[in-house]
Amino acid sequence: EVQLVQSGTEVKKSGESLKISCKASGYRFIDYWIVWVRQMPGKGLEWMGSTHPGDSHTRYNPSLQGQVTISADKSVNTAFLQWNRLKASDTAIYYCARHSYTIDWGQGTLVTVFS
Amino acid sequence: DIQMTQSPSTLSASLGDTVTITCRASQSISAWLAWYQQKPGKAPKLLIYKASTLETGVPSRFSGSGSGPEFTLTISSLQPDDFATYYCQQYYDYSWSFGQGTKVDFK
Repeated sequence: EVQLVQSGTEVKKSGESLKISCKASGYRFIDYWIVWVRQMPGKGLEWMGSTHPGDSHTRYNPSLQGQVTISADKSVNTAFLQWNRLKASDTAIYYCARHSYTIDWGQGTLVTVFS
Repeated sequence: DIQMTQSPSTLSASLGDTVTITCRASQSISAWLAWYQQKPGKAPKLLIYKASTLETGVPSRFSGSGSGPEFTLTISSLQPDDFATYYCQQYYDYSWSFGQGTKVDFK
């Protein structure tokens, strides 16, 4: 069974750094792209970027380029989403998902940033 | 970039109604389209993938059709559990995009 288990809720102050994770199991991690999706409060779903754990190839939504870093560590079957300096507007739920014929999602990580 | 245009944004319906939501891609995406249901505070739930394949465990009153640029999600005989927000999503390439969402509420 494919599972994507995300790290827990975060409450951070504006300007702080943060790295959230998405641990995969039940399949060969290096064979499938991992995608990150953002949902801001009361808003729709927004693609942030995608990474291929096998070769580290990564794509970003142009509107978010430079604001986040997406990576993966194949030694621990885990993908990451990272901020160097959080802003209040980064408050959202972040989902990871596996790009495959049928798509699997993590449970989401709520990130709250206060100023 | 592939843009997804979903309509309507809101749909008012009654129990037992049949409702249809439409999604149009800005270019051909073959059948690489998924439909999701989302309820407040919950992760999106996959209903349909590859445009028309019903995810395991999803009731058969949900159906998807279409290919190329235009797709539809049909919910037959609307049930109380179906009042939610629905999204389409293309996964033709690794740069996903989503429709704006359709909120199905009580008439």
